[in-house]
Amino acid sequence: NAGVTQTPKFQVLKTGQSMTLQCAQDMNHEYMSWYRQDPGMGLRLIHYSVGAGITDQGEVPNGYNVSRSTTEDFPLRLLSAAPSQTSVYFCASSYFTGAVQGYTFGSGTRLTVV
Amino acid sequence: KQEVTQIPAALSVPEGENLVLNCSFTDSAIYNLQWFRQDPGKGLTSLLLIQSSQREQTSGRLNASLDKSSGRSTLYIAASQPGDSATYLCAVYSSNTGKLIFGQGTTLQVKP
Repeated sequence: NAGVTQTPKFQVLKTGQSMTLQCAQDMNHEYMSWYRQDPGMGLRLIHYSVGAGITDQGEVPNGYNVSRSTTEDFPLRLLSAAPSQTSVYFCASSYFTGAVQGYTFGSGTRLTVV
Repeated sequence: KQEVTQIPAALSVPEGENLVLNCSFTDSAIYNLQWFRQDPGKGLTSLLLIQSSQREQTSGRLNASLDKSSGRSTLYIAASQPGDSATYLCAVYSSNTGKLIFGQGTTLQVKP
């Protein structure tokens, strides 16, 4: 089925470890983004990309890196995990039709940093 | 800075009731507004997308309205069912920043 695929679904890290959350979409969407969802905070934008080779920061980018080498993939890297990064991470992709965008979300990665 | 607020944070209603969820935003410079549904432990499912030039969108028992000048949107759910129990999130795509900004959501419980 077409959509946004995130891996892994669950992950436990120790403080200071690094890891990459994977996100892939097969809808040829130009726009991809990463959000984190915390209780009482809603979804907050971490990084986004408007196309291959172009990325920009969102509301809460510190501690995270991204790259966009292909249209399909948009991995999120945690450089040195901290307990404050315990959260549920969602990847989303969207299309442009003039100025209109519709967003498709992945099923999320639940990350715990101990 | 665009801020999105959803009231109430939680709502419990008996089955069959019609209900309205509210969303307000501070900056009227938006491309569109989107309503999502999120089930516990799951991702987000898009329900309705309203372009900035539109006043409302309908899908089945759902109707979303948009008043851009006053910074408000409502999601109307007709004849609610227990299967409608979920968290409903609204998000605006800001023209100024090119970012999708979310409200904190309204958690709905429909009791049989």
